[in-house]
Amino acid sequence: DTAVSQTPKYLVTQMGNDKSIKCEQNLGHDTMYWYKQDSKKFLKIMFSYNNKELIINETVPNRFSPKSPDKAHLNLHINSLELGDSAVYFCASSQGQGGYYGYTFGSGTRLTVV
Amino acid sequence: DAKTTQPPSMDCAEGRAANLPCNHSTISGNEYVYWYRQIHSQGPQYIIHGLKNNETNEMASLIITEDRKSSTLILPHATLRDTAVYYCIAQPAGGGADGLTFGKGTHLIIQP
Repeated sequence: DTAVSQTPKYLVTQMGNDKSIKCEQNLGHDTMYWYKQDSKKFLKIMFSYNNKELIINETVPNRFSPKSPDKAHLNLHINSLELGDSAVYFCASSQGQGGYYGYTFGSGTRLTVV
Repeated sequence: DAKTTQPPSMDCAEGRAANLPCNHSTISGNEYVYWYRQIHSQGPQYIIHGLKNNETNEMASLIITEDRKSSTLILPHATLRDTAVYYCIAQPAGGGADGLTFGKGTHLIIQP
């Protein structure tokens, strides 16, 4: 199936740990994104990558770092996890930077920091 | 991106048409109206988008007023699986590298 897939689906970890969330898309899209949905259900963009270049970087802590080994993958690394990082993280992709044809989202990774 | 205003929640009977309104009175000429929905515990799903003409696809119809200050998403025959939060977003097409700006959306509940 063509899709955006992210792993793991659930992640429970202790404060101070370092963790990664992986994302892969087989749609041939050239831009990928990470979004965060907090407990109030607001969806906010964190990063986007186009042609292996970071093209936007919202005001997120530098403990968060996106890494794109190739056009089909955009992984999210988080260092020194804090309680406030608990949220659902969504990966997305689009054809072109503007997403004219719509964005395709993954099913989300629910991160719980204890 | 232009701000959009949607009712926080709506009910609709199964099998009836669901009409979801959206106000975007400050929309600029290069901004499209996009609709997404998020079913519980899933990622947002693209539904439809348009600039000024009405649009229809296999999921829904989009009616945009002539002055482009408001629009309506129509789900012609709502099913229980259409229960979700629906987001109306105004953004430039092709140049919006900032990604999508989601508001609070409308929680549509389809009643059996």
